[in-house]
Amino acid sequence: EAGVTQFPSHSVIEKGQTVTLRCDPISGHDNLYWYRRVMGKEIKFLLHFVKESKQDESGMPNNRFLAERTGGTYSTLKVQPAELEDSGVYFCASSQGGRASTDTQYFGPGTRLTVL
Amino acid sequence: GNSVTQMEGPVTLSEEAFLTINCTYTATGYPSLFWYVQYPGEGLQLLLKATKADDKGSNKGFEATYRKETTSFHLEKGSVQVSDSAVYFCALRGSGNTGKLIFGQGTTLQVKP
Repeated sequence: EAGVTQFPSHSVIEKGQTVTLRCDPISGHDNLYWYRRVMGKEIKFLLHFVKESKQDESGMPNNRFLAERTGGTYSTLKVQPAELEDSGVYFCASSQGGRASTDTQYFGPGTRLTVL
Repeated sequence: GNSVTQMEGPVTLSEEAFLTINCTYTATGYPSLFWYVQYPGEGLQLLLKATKADDKGSNKGFEATYRKETTSFHLEKGSVQVSDSAVYFCALRGSGNTGKLIFGQGTTLQVKP
C-alpha cells in the first residue's frame, strides 16, 4: 500500500510568486492534515479536512494560504503571494476516519519551500 | 493553550550509550502523547504513543511513560545504534474530538560508531 505522497519535494520561488503544494493521502483515508515546520522550530498544525470539508483551519496563518480537497481525495495548498517567512517544510498527514481523536496519522516526506 | 517543550539538541552519543530526550507538556484534560521520528530524507513516523496516565509506550527498544504528576513523557533507550540517528519529535493530541497534533521543536540525535 502506498504511503502519503507529496509533490514537489522541493520548491524554490521568488517573493511574490505563487506556489501550489500537493498531497495524496493513503487511499481511503478520510482525514487529511497539513502542518509546517519553519526554521527548525516546532511543527505547527495548519488545517484538517474530513473528506472534502474543512474540519479545523485554526492554524492557517493568513489569507495568503488556500487549501482545497476537491472530491475528498488529494489536497492542494496554495500560497499566493509567497513571503520570505513562508519558507519551511510543509507536511501532509492522513488518517483512516471514524474518530480523528484516536486514529494514527501517517505523514508524507514533506515539501521544502524556499522563498527568496 | 496546549504546548509541548522538549530538550534542545543536537544530542551526540556513542553507539550503545543510554539515551534520554526530555519532553514536558501543558494541556487541559487528558491528552494523548506521542513520539514521532524523522529519519534523513523520510517523513515522520510514529515511534510510540500513550493515551492515559501511567501508560508506557514502547517500540524498537524505545520507551516513554506518561507521567501526569510531572506532565512529562521522556523518551529513553538503553543502547542506541548508529541507525537511530534522526530527529525526534514529542507531540500531544488534546482531549475531545480533535485530531490536531501539537509538536515540540524536535531533537536531533546523532549516534557515532
